[in-house]
Order: sequence, then structure tokens, then C-alpha cells
Amino acid sequence: DIVMTQTPLSLSVTPGQPASISCKSSQSLLHSDGKTYLYWYLQKPGQSPQLLIYEVSSRFSGVPDRFSGSGSGTDFTLKISRVEAEDVGVYYCMQGIHPLTFGGGTKVEIK
Amino acid sequence: QLQLQESGPGLVKPSETLSLTCTVSGGSISSSSYYWGWIRQPPGKGLEWIGSIYYSGSTYYNPSLKSRVTISVDTSKNQFSLKLSSVTAADTAVYYCARVDSRLQDAFDIWGQGTMVTVSS
Repeated sequence: DIVMTQTPLSLSVTPGQPASISCKSSQSLLHSDGKTYLYWYLQKPGQSPQLLIYEVSSRFSGVPDRFSGSGSGTDFTLKISRVEAEDVGVYYCMQGIHPLTFGGGTKVEIK
Repeated sequence: QLQLQESGPGLVKPSETLSLTCTVSGGSISSSSYYWGWIRQPPGKGLEWIGSIYYSGSTYYNPSLKSRVTISVDTSKNQFSLKLSSVTAADTAVYYCARVDSRLQDAFDIWGQGTMVTVSS
């Protein structure tokens, strides 16, 4: 199975400041079909996870453009350009090569 | 607007079978653009994929659970289901059903609210 490792475990950010979360996979997520199956989800407190990013860098419908994803191969990053209060929660990366696996999560809180 | 709702017993005895249903409303479960999955989250822990079922009926399961898991679809009821046999306390978790959109590179784009299942005698 592909192991997904996220860092940091937690992040305390001043509103308006940027934040960055790293996700590393134990093997390349570049599939034989040429696509890279890497997603980012946010689980706000008391809620179900919600899709933020798919295919490394494509924002899901309705996701603010302050969220951006980048990376390739085994190294990926989620960036929030200016953190807002509504961005608090746990962020998970997930890889889409079966069996699907998630990273351990990064908790983002506001200072 | 498509919605998913999990239902089933909140308490299951050890060694018994956990059975959950996800009802899809606001859209058809039979669309070839989508398939369906189950994910769980033990209390205070991260997310674990359980398995997925394609509109064709093909299934993919987490190898760690494969011997105990069955996912099926009932198109007449617009529902899909999860059965997990021989449960132990380690299966205590919030169970989520979710839609997979093949147009979004197979992302879980819509999730149910989740249902807590406790395994205890």
C-alpha cells in the first residue's frame, strides 16, 4: 500500500498569513494513464470531509482561489495564500491508486 | 442537489455483522459518471478507505478489510450498502458514504454526514 505522510501535524496561523502543508507518498502517484491521483480534503470541526483539490492542483467547484495545490511524483503541497477563520480544521491528502490511502492529517488552527 | 444519507444500527455486538445503507437523493445512483464508496474514521483518528463500487457492479476493497467487507448497490432503491462481518472494537468509527466522480479524476466529491457505529457487547 502507498503510505501518505503529512507534515506538519498541526499549524497555528495568524489570519491573513499564508500556510503550507506537505504530503509525501511512499511511491510515485503518476499513474500509467499519465494522471497523478492526488487529492486534498478539509474536515471542518464536526463535519464530514469536503473536497478541496483533485488531480494535484485542480480546485473543486466553490473552493476559494486562496487554496492551491502543487507537486508531482511523490511530493505535494497545499498552500493557503491568506488563511481565514473558516479554514480551520484538519486537512488530509489522499492518493487515488488502489488501495486508496489518506495522510494522517494536519490540524490548522487560528492564532 | 445530490445528497447522501447513511443509516443503520449505531450499536453492534462483537463478532456480529455491521450493516449500513447509504441513500442517494437528488440524483440517480445509476449514472456511469459516478461510483460510490465507504470511508470510516475511528474516534479522534484519521480517515480509512473501506471500499468502492462501480456502476457496473465491480468492487474494490481495502485489502486490510477485504475478507470481511461486502459493498452492493440496489438501483431500484437508489441505495448502496456496506456489510462488515466479524466486527471487533477496532471497527468502532464514524462511517461515511461518498460519491466518486470519474470526471474529477475519481475524487470523493460528495459525502454523507456520517453515522457513528460502536462495537460493544
